[in-house]
Amino acid sequence: AQSVAQPEDQVNVAEGNPLTVKCTYSVSGNPYLFWYVQYPNRGLQFLLKYITGDNLVKGSYGFEAEFNKSQTSFHLKKPSALVSDSALYFCAVLISGSARQLTFGSGTQLTVLP
Amino acid sequence: DAGVIQSPRHEVTEMGQEVTLRCKLISGHNSLFWYRQTMMRGLELLIYFNNNVPIDDSGMPEDRFSAKMPNASFSTLKIQPSEPRDSAVYFCASQYRGELFFGEGSRLTVL
Repeated sequence: AQSVAQPEDQVNVAEGNPLTVKCTYSVSGNPYLFWYVQYPNRGLQFLLKYITGDNLVKGSYGFEAEFNKSQTSFHLKKPSALVSDSALYFCAVLISGSARQLTFGSGTQLTVLP
Repeated sequence: DAGVIQSPRHEVTEMGQEVTLRCKLISGHNSLFWYRQTMMRGLELLIYFNNNVPIDDSGMPEDRFSAKMPNASFSTLKIQPSEPRDSAVYFCASQYRGELFFGEGSRLTVL
């Protein structure tokens, strides 16, 4: 079975500082990994994905994530946080070649303080 | 493309009433997912369809819940009868090349 863990329910960071939102996964095959963001009263929006290739993936709004196979992690990062980045972030995993449902983490609420 | 469209955006109803939530997929996407989001349980997958066929409905909480996909672009999620514990935001999402495209959600409140 595949699973995703987001160990932090809440992350606070000051505007302008770098941010990291953590994600670890457990799968038996090759993972496809995703990050989604949810703003208040909105649906989830795609940020970035890792399928294969370069371990550092760049996505929307200046976010990036690094796939680390040995640590089974896919942490989301941004060099300089904005107040407008405050939102709920979800990590998700899909096993390549499997049925198509993504397994989502529990979400991490990011608050960027002005 | 207008994206995944859900209706209604907000629904307030009384316990025992029937609720029908609607979803219009993005053209060309052939997989559809229904999720429920609550503070307590987070994001839960209820059911998903591929090419209009239900593939996995193990997340549907009870027989009170049913979902249909009568054609490639439209789906409904019905709750009959509704209960207060069904109060949540219900999302549908279509899928293309592994990526999910979510609607804005239907916020259901059952009094």
